[in-house]
Amino acid sequence: GDSVTQTEGLVTLTEGLPVMLNCTYQSTYSPFLFWYVQHLNEAPKLLLKSFTDNKRPEHQGFHATLHKSSSSFHLQKSSAQLSDSALYYCAARTGNTGKLIFGLGTTLQVQP
Amino acid sequence: EAAVTQSPRSKVAVTGGKVTLSCHQTNNHDYMYWYRQDTGHGLRLIHYSYVADSTEKGDIPDGYKASRPSQENFSLILELASLSQTAVYFCASSTGTGVTGQLYFGEGSKLTVL
Repeated sequence: GDSVTQTEGLVTLTEGLPVMLNCTYQSTYSPFLFWYVQHLNEAPKLLLKSFTDNKRPEHQGFHATLHKSSSSFHLQKSSAQLSDSALYYCAARTGNTGKLIFGLGTTLQVQP
Repeated sequence: EAAVTQSPRSKVAVTGGKVTLSCHQTNNHDYMYWYRQDTGHGLRLIHYSYVADSTEKGDIPDGYKASRPSQENFSLILELASLSQTAVYFCASSTGTGVTGQLYFGEGSKLTVL
């Protein structure tokens, strides 16, 4: 079945360093990919979503590129901020079922 | 601003008891979802619905029922609550499928089964 894999459970880095959170997917069909962010004691909310063409979505300094050849949609940011500390979920929607499948999530901890 | 509200926000239930979690959306969205969140398991889909009076099973439906009496309301029912159902539950709504169908989440309902 369809699945989303986030290999890192916890990523800890120092403020100002680049961020890269991994996301790969397995799907029979070409999926739509999303990144959601959840801050402590809050609900998840949309950070980015993939486009069907080669555009690179960006929001709050984060960007991600859908690479169909490697089935990946890694999240990147050039310089981490303390406020980026949160739980990040990669998610995929395939076909027209309306179902959104989430990865296990990656906790990003940014230290001073 | 999209709005999804859940009630109760927190509940303590006894093993074997019945629990109903309610969700109301004012987004005029067709799709509604129930997810549970557990540390180490991420967000897992329990049930979802794309039209009133109809529900679909998600990936972990065992032990849960769902009800969609209207477009705005979607309930999750635990007929016989068990310890393993202690978790945070999130309701969400969406316009539909494809890349435009982002999920709008409620604030979550923390359920503790003793």
